[in-house]
Parts: sequence; C-alpha cells; structure tokens
Amino acid sequence: SSELTQPPSVSVSPGQTAKITCSGDALPNTYVYWYQHKPGQAPLLIVYKDNETPPGIPERFSGSTSGTVVTLTITGVQTEDEADYYCQSADSSIPSVVFGGGTRLTVL
Amino acid sequence: EVQLVESGGGPVKPGGSLRLSCSTSGFTLSGAWMSWVRQAPGKGLEWLGRMRSEIDGGTADYPAPVKDRFIISRDESRNMLFLHINNLRTEDTAVYYCTKDGRGYTFGSYRYFYYMDVWGKGTTVTVSS
Repeated sequence: SSELTQPPSVSVSPGQTAKITCSGDALPNTYVYWYQHKPGQAPLLIVYKDNETPPGIPERFSGSTSGTVVTLTITGVQTEDEADYYCQSADSSIPSVVFGGGTRLTVL
Repeated sequence: EVQLVESGGGPVKPGGSLRLSCSTSGFTLSGAWMSWVRQAPGKGLEWLGRMRSEIDGGTADYPAPVKDRFIISRDESRNMLFLHINNLRTEDTAVYYCTKDGRGYTFGSYRYFYYMDVWGKGTTVTVSS
C-alpha cells in the first residue's frame, strides 16, 4: 500500500457537516476503512470497505470515494464526535496495512 | 461478545526485551487473523504485524521497520496472543493495541479487504534509561 495523506485538523461547529479526506495513489484499487479514536479509549471502526458502516455506528457517519481521494463525512456533528480519525488501507500483494497520519476533529 | 485485553506494558530500559499479552474471548483465536498496532506519544497509528489464522498457515507478517525485532506468537490453549519486542529503543515508547481483523475478498468483484474489526484498550510501554 502507498502512503495515505490526511489533513492534520478539521474544525466544525455542532450541527454542521465535517468532511475528512484521505488521499493516496493506490486508493482507486483498494478499500479504505475509517477509525475513530478518543483519548484513553480503544479505536473504533466506523466505516469499512469505503462506505459501509458497522452495526451500532450512527447514520451521521458515511464514507465516499472519488479517484485517489476518499472522504469521511459526519453529517450533523455532535460534541461527542470530537476525536482523532484515521483512514487505513491494505494491500494483498505485499502483506501490509497502512494508516493515514490522522485528523483531529475539533467541535467548536 | 468479542473482547481483547492487553497487558504486560510498563517501564523498561533501552536494549531490554518485553512480551506483551493479549487475552482474547468471544471467538476462536486459531480461526482469527490478529494484529498489533501502536501509537507513540503525539503520533498516529502504526501497524506492527499480524498473525494469520491456522487454516491460512498460522504464520506472521511484519512491516519492514520492525521485522527484525518484533515477533508475534499465539497460545491457543490459553486464548492468548503475544508480541515479543527485542532490543527496545526509546522510540518504542507507545500504547500497544491488539486487534481482531476482518479480511477476505468481496463476492463478485473479488476485491481484497483487510481491516481492524475489534480493538483492545491497549497497554503502555515506556522505554527510558
């Protein structure tokens, strides 16, 4: 897998829509996954296979893709969504798992 | 319910060795692909390697930066996953997580997928003289 690039930070007000991007040259050919990580807690899978959400994840979290950029969208952000968000991809040809550098979401 | 609980972290001197443990429950460890991931202070997540399920060979894969010092092993009788770290360096200071992974090929498109499905809460390793 190639490198994944995320913006270091994104800020939104409660109720607004937050978009966090993840870019990488290999992304058109690989799935992307998103994790939410709050301080002192275990990371939580919130989107898998680009745009599917696991059971129990609120509907306000969604994923989308466009070429070499994938986007995590949080519609109607809540204060509890303040966290670090990481994208991840994997390559089957060379056993590897790659994480993006992470994006700190601040809810103002 | 799948649960993962890491232990074994603590202070250690540079050059030393450490074995981290991950106690698992709610699934059959031999049938799972498992990984270790760490987060150094102020840094992002870093994948440290994985162990394949028994049916897929039971071997481990490591990324280049750690392959000479990190070893993943498993004790199925105790439902435990381990991470052995040799020749510890200050830059190994981090919170270490074990994960139960999801993997396979999507029906139809045959696209490969691999992700960290369930995470433990982590154990902290501090390497300092």
